[in-house]
Amino acid sequence: GAVVSQHPSWVICKSGTSVKIECRSLDFQATTMFWYRQFPKQSLMLMATSNEGSKATYEQGVEKDKFLINHASLTLSTLTVTSAHPEDSSFYICSAREAGYSNQPQHFGDGTRLSIL
Amino acid sequence: DAKTTQPPSMDCAEGRAANLPCNHSTISGNEYVYWYRQIHSQGPQYIIHGLKNNETNEMASLIITEDRKSSTLILPHATLRDTAVYYCIVRVAGSNDYKLSFGAGTTVTVRA
Repeated sequence: GAVVSQHPSWVICKSGTSVKIECRSLDFQATTMFWYRQFPKQSLMLMATSNEGSKATYEQGVEKDKFLINHASLTLSTLTVTSAHPEDSSFYICSAREAGYSNQPQHFGDGTRLSIL
Repeated sequence: DAKTTQPPSMDCAEGRAANLPCNHSTISGNEYVYWYRQIHSQGPQYIIHGLKNNETNEMASLIITEDRKSSTLILPHATLRDTAVYYCIVRVAGSNDYKLSFGAGTTVTVRA
C-alpha cells in the first residue's frame, strides 16, 4: 500500500516551454502533498506544500509564479514549471501523506528528471 | 524541528548487519525520528519511525537511546541493493506541519 505515482519520469524540452508534472496517491487519500527539488550530489530541498482545495504554501526563495501548484483532488497534485530555463533543470520529487493520520510517514514518488535545453 | 547529525559515509559488508547512527541531541519530547533512504535516481523510500520505544519492521530495526538524544538504524543483513543514502529526520508529533527537512544523510555502500 501507500503508493505515490509521479508522471512523467523524464522530460527534455526547449527553453521557454512550460512543463507539468503530476503526482498521484494511488491507494490512499492525501490532503497534503509536498514538492521537492534535488540538484546533483545535493539533498532534497522542499519547494512547497500542496493542500487540497486551497493555495499552496511556498518555501522562502521559491517563486510561486514560476512553479504553479494545483491540488484539485485528494489524490492528485500537479506542479507546472512555467517558461522553463536551463537553470530549472533538476530532479523534482513529490510526496504525500495519508489524510487523518498525523504521524504516519510521507510516501514519495520516483521523481521526474527535467532537462531544459 | 531538531537537527540531526549523521556520518557522511559508511561501508558495510554484504550479509552483515549495518548499524547507522544518528545524533539528535536537541530533540524534544514530542518529536518523532524518521528514517528514509534514497537509492540513486529514485525518490526516497520510507524505512521506519519511532518516538521513544525501539521499533522493528520487515526492513529494519530502530534503536532509540533512553535519553532520545541518538538513535541507530539497523539493517540486519545488508545486501548490495541496500546501497543508498540514508536520512535520519526528526519532526514534531501531531503537529499540522508535516514538512520533512532532509540533511546530507549517510551514503552507505554495501560491498560484496
